[in-house]
Amino acid sequence: DADVTQTPRNRITKTGKRIMLECSQTKGHDRMYWYRQDPGLGLRLIYYSFDVKDINKGEISDGYSVSRQAQAKFSLSLESAIPNQTALYFCATSDTYIAGADNEQFFGPGTRLTVL
Amino acid sequence: DQQVKQNSPSLSVQEGRISILNCDYTNSMFDYFLWYKKYPAEGPTFLISISSIKDKNEDGRFTVFLNKSAKHLSLHIVPSQPGDSAVYFCAASGGSNYKLTFGKGTLLTVNP
Repeated sequence: DADVTQTPRNRITKTGKRIMLECSQTKGHDRMYWYRQDPGLGLRLIYYSFDVKDINKGEISDGYSVSRQAQAKFSLSLESAIPNQTALYFCATSDTYIAGADNEQFFGPGTRLTVL
Repeated sequence: DQQVKQNSPSLSVQEGRISILNCDYTNSMFDYFLWYKKYPAEGPTFLISISSIKDKNEDGRFTVFLNKSAKHLSLHIVPSQPGDSAVYFCAASGGSNYKLTFGKGTLLTVNP
């Protein structure tokens, strides 16, 4: 079984709809992240959480919100989806305690979201 | 302002030859650098990393070189194999901040 899972894998929705993307991990990591990937723009950080009570905005958080329901679950919401939020969304996790490799992140398979 | 730059969107090499992927950074606070590999329809996977206290790290066919004075790192793949065809992302982080800043990626195509 995959260590980091994302649901749904694909979603098509309409402008103005509320969408939730979910991420679950079995790695036991404290830190979780949401990124989006756009063609030619690489991976950009939306939100990150270092533990259940700690939520932080990334570089492109406008239009998004998150919820850390448990150590293993981190969900991303688009309250009112717009077409320029069409992208690939990735969840990632990292472990606080790996000496010398603190920053290695493990990614889920991604969710392809299309907003019409 | 892009802090991690991969100026080559794509690179094509022959099987068996060396692939060299380049990455430049502007933030002097970055002290840990990583390369990720991404196949279509999959999430990025960690490939190799290097700390700023080193100038080289090797793992099998993959070697990363870091030139701190030039704020430049490169990933060498020798010999290149068709299965290495993927998008390669350079990423960097600094100090106690565990966020990663990614480059835009380079699409490597290894031709049989």
